[in-house]
Amino acid sequence: EDQVTQSPEALRLQEGESSSLNCSYTVSGLRGLFWYRQDPGKGPEFLFTLYSAGEEKEKERLKATLTKKESFLHITAPKPEDSATYLCAVQEINKGGSQGNLIFGKGTKLSVKP
Amino acid sequence: ETGVTQTPRHLVMGMTNKKSLKCEQHLGHNAMYWYKQSAKKPLELMFVYSLEERVENNSVPSRFSPECPNSSHLFLHLHTLQPEDSALYLCASSQGQGVEKLFFGSGTQLSVL
Repeated sequence: EDQVTQSPEALRLQEGESSSLNCSYTVSGLRGLFWYRQDPGKGPEFLFTLYSAGEEKEKERLKATLTKKESFLHITAPKPEDSATYLCAVQEINKGGSQGNLIFGKGTKLSVKP
Repeated sequence: ETGVTQTPRHLVMGMTNKKSLKCEQHLGHNAMYWYKQSAKKPLELMFVYSLEERVENNSVPSRFSPECPNSSHLFLHLHTLQPEDSALYLCASSQGQGVEKLFFGSGTQLSVL
């Protein structure tokens, strides 16, 4: 069973059509949840870190939120340059209290048409 | 120079070849990572180095051999690979190994024939 599940796998939007991407996770203790953006032919680029339920962070047209079971990446009035694959990753607290390494989801491929 | 630089960008090799991937970070970070990215699969952590010492090896086959000569450089030595090893290999660095954001390079797209 995947510990990090992202949905949908792919999303096609018209420019200006707001929507949300979902990242659900099943780890026993969350140390942090990360959002990355990956453009074709490039490595992932950091967007946000969220640490606790109720936390929100914003950057331009993107807003990330966190609950105890999932995170949403809200995209408001997207533009074609927002087209990319968005990756979610969680870092869990291992037994003994140490931090684990990042567990990534498979990503959501977003296409925004003009 | 960009933060994390990987060379080569593309590599085609036969199953009997030996090649090496190189990664260099210019961010003054203390931890470096190798990830494998295959189509339709999540990023898979392969190796972690912290202060030039390997701290994590996620059951990676011995045909992949990492080397970290200093905190700025990381290599992945490849030998007798299999076609299923074809993937994008990403290098990343972070300030420490806590809840730290990763800075990724652009990757090496590897094809094994």
